[in-house]
Amino acid sequence: GAGVSQSPSNKVTEKGKDVELRCDPISGHTALYWYRQRLGQGLEFLIYFQGNSAPDKSGLPSDRFSAERTGESVSTLTIQRTQQEDSAVYLCASSSHGTSGASDTQYFGPGTRLTVL
Amino acid sequence: EDQVTQSPEALRLQEGESSSLNCSYTVSGLRGLFWYRQDPGKGPEFLFTLYSAGEEKEKERLKATLTKKESFLHITAPKPEDSATYLCAVQTGGSYIPTFGRGTSLIVHP
Repeated sequence: GAGVSQSPSNKVTEKGKDVELRCDPISGHTALYWYRQRLGQGLEFLIYFQGNSAPDKSGLPSDRFSAERTGESVSTLTIQRTQQEDSAVYLCASSSHGTSGASDTQYFGPGTRLTVL
Repeated sequence: EDQVTQSPEALRLQEGESSSLNCSYTVSGLRGLFWYRQDPGKGPEFLFTLYSAGEEKEKERLKATLTKKESFLHITAPKPEDSATYLCAVQTGGSYIPTFGRGTSLIVHP
């Protein structure tokens, strides 16, 4: 079936503007994750959803960052009053949790490259 | 605190020159260890999941192995198209949040 999709693929914005990034997980996947990856750096965990609740949002770097999820489908990551240090690739991943370890594998989307001028 | 360390940070190989990438971890209650490949400008692509020491998985020129302290990603007779960053991640039984290593950047020269 279809993989994880993200939109837009690229976003250029001016400092101080708000942006919304969208993630469509694999159908049936109950878990959804957002990560940030700065140029040449590793993956930085932002927030984890199980269904439409977020049991772990410990990685959100400031209160300018928020995320929501509708049921077990689309999620949006919103960054308010963007700053230049927010420039990065934002990656979304989904997985299907269960009693079997096999269901914990995360599948990633292609990412949204955010550039804040 | 869970730790995942990948080595080397960067590796240059000649086409056909086999080698191994290492992922060492210090976690309690390993639930799974994951290998991903990431090409520039793209999201990580899933390669393997390993669950217990002694387990091995293969895909084309790649073979992943797991011990109680580390995992190796063996690359046999690599080709230039194997050039990418390879990421390792571990997940413990107590969390659904995997811990990622910083990756190994592999370049295979023709």
